[in-house]
Amino acid sequence: DGGITQSPKYLFRKEGQNVTLSCEQNLNHDAMYWYRQDPGQGLRLIYYSQIVNDFQKGDIAEGYSVSREKKESFPLTVTSAQKNPTAFYLCASKAGVSAGELFFGEGSRLTVL
Amino acid sequence: GIQVEQSPPDLILQEGANSTLRCNFSDSVNNLQWFHQNPWGQLINLFYIPSGTKQNGRLSATTVATERYSLLYISSSQTTDSGVYFCAARSYMDSNYQLIWGAGTKLIIKP
Repeated sequence: DGGITQSPKYLFRKEGQNVTLSCEQNLNHDAMYWYRQDPGQGLRLIYYSQIVNDFQKGDIAEGYSVSREKKESFPLTVTSAQKNPTAFYLCASKAGVSAGELFFGEGSRLTVL
Repeated sequence: GIQVEQSPPDLILQEGANSTLRCNFSDSVNNLQWFHQNPWGQLINLFYIPSGTKQNGRLSATTVATERYSLLYISSSQTTDSGVYFCAARSYMDSNYQLIWGAGTKLIIKP
């Protein structure tokens, strides 16, 4: 089935450790996105990528890094520089960057102890 | 850039009731979507509707682009409709290709 797969679904880490969240899509979409959601809040854009080997900062990129070496993959690293990393992280993709429907993975819930 | 506002912020209804959720946007749009976030956090696409009217079962949506609003209708509500409903839009004028999100409407359907 076509879709977006995020892993892991739940992740616990100690403060000061880097963490990488995986996002893979088999929809042949060019554009991919990472969002952060805090409890009771809306979505905030961390990074997005319009094409392989290119990505742009969103509204809250500080303390995060990404790569886009393959069309189907857009991993997010939460670095130790992120002051408050505990959150729900959502990956999304769509066919193009302008119009078109955005689809989401099931999310990864990160808790930093 | 475009601003997106949703109302009401919270809505509590009995099972079987009908509801209307509203999304206002401040600029012309070429992309508007409605999503349902279930209690487990999953975001489910409801409608891609930059203009016009669509229906899917008990749900329907209308976007009046000239008046800069979109409405989501839920008829005969069920407890499984509970969750948060988000509207997201992108303006023709925005060069950064980002969808701008509303704050959501939290819907609780009581049995």
